[in-house]
Amino acid sequence: QKEVEQNSGPLSVPEGAIASLNCTYSDRGSQSFFWYRQYSGKSPELIMSIYSNGDKEDGRFTAQLNKASQYVSLLIRDSQPSDSATYLCAVRSRGSGNTPLVFGKGTRLSVIA
Amino acid sequence: NAGVTQTPKFQVLKTGQSMTLQCAQDMNHNSMYWYRQDPGMGLRLIYYSASEGTTDKGEVPNGYNVSRLNKREFSLRLESAAPSQTSVYFCASSLGLSQGAYEQYFGPGTRLTVT
Repeated sequence: QKEVEQNSGPLSVPEGAIASLNCTYSDRGSQSFFWYRQYSGKSPELIMSIYSNGDKEDGRFTAQLNKASQYVSLLIRDSQPSDSATYLCAVRSRGSGNTPLVFGKGTRLSVIA
Repeated sequence: NAGVTQTPKFQVLKTGQSMTLQCAQDMNHNSMYWYRQDPGMGLRLIYYSASEGTTDKGEVPNGYNVSRLNKREFSLRLESAAPSQTSVYFCASSLGLSQGAYEQYFGPGTRLTVT
């Protein structure tokens, strides 16, 4: 069974700090990786995708991928109280035909003002 | 564009009643999905449709049926609701599993309570 693991948190960081969210996956053949943000009572919202090893930056967000270690992370710089949400990691395996994304259970982030 | 829309937003059912959750997308996406989300369980895939005319079971299909009515619409039916089906249901879509575009976009959800 392909699995995606995340620490459930809560991860508490002070306003202005860097929040680091981590995700590991079991299928070494995974090729596509996504981060979603979900505010309480709302639906998941796509914030980042990454396909190659290394870093990908988008504004205050940086996704980092290390396929050898089967590890993907999301860094949020200058964290704001509005970043408080649950962050879901999602992974798609290579060669799995029409298999949809596999989601982790999410890490709850709390940014303290 | 409205993106992915779901109806209803809220629903209360009695055990044994049936209902259909509706989902539509206006992004010309080929693939559509139904998830349920329960506290501590994360998102669990119920059914998905890789393309118009096809449907496949996900992780938790028991007690549900789906219909891919056309390219835009994908409905989820509960034939005989049970309290264990109390959950938040999300519909999602993606451009196409067969086209290498896997980003999924979610609807606002339906909050279902079965008493």
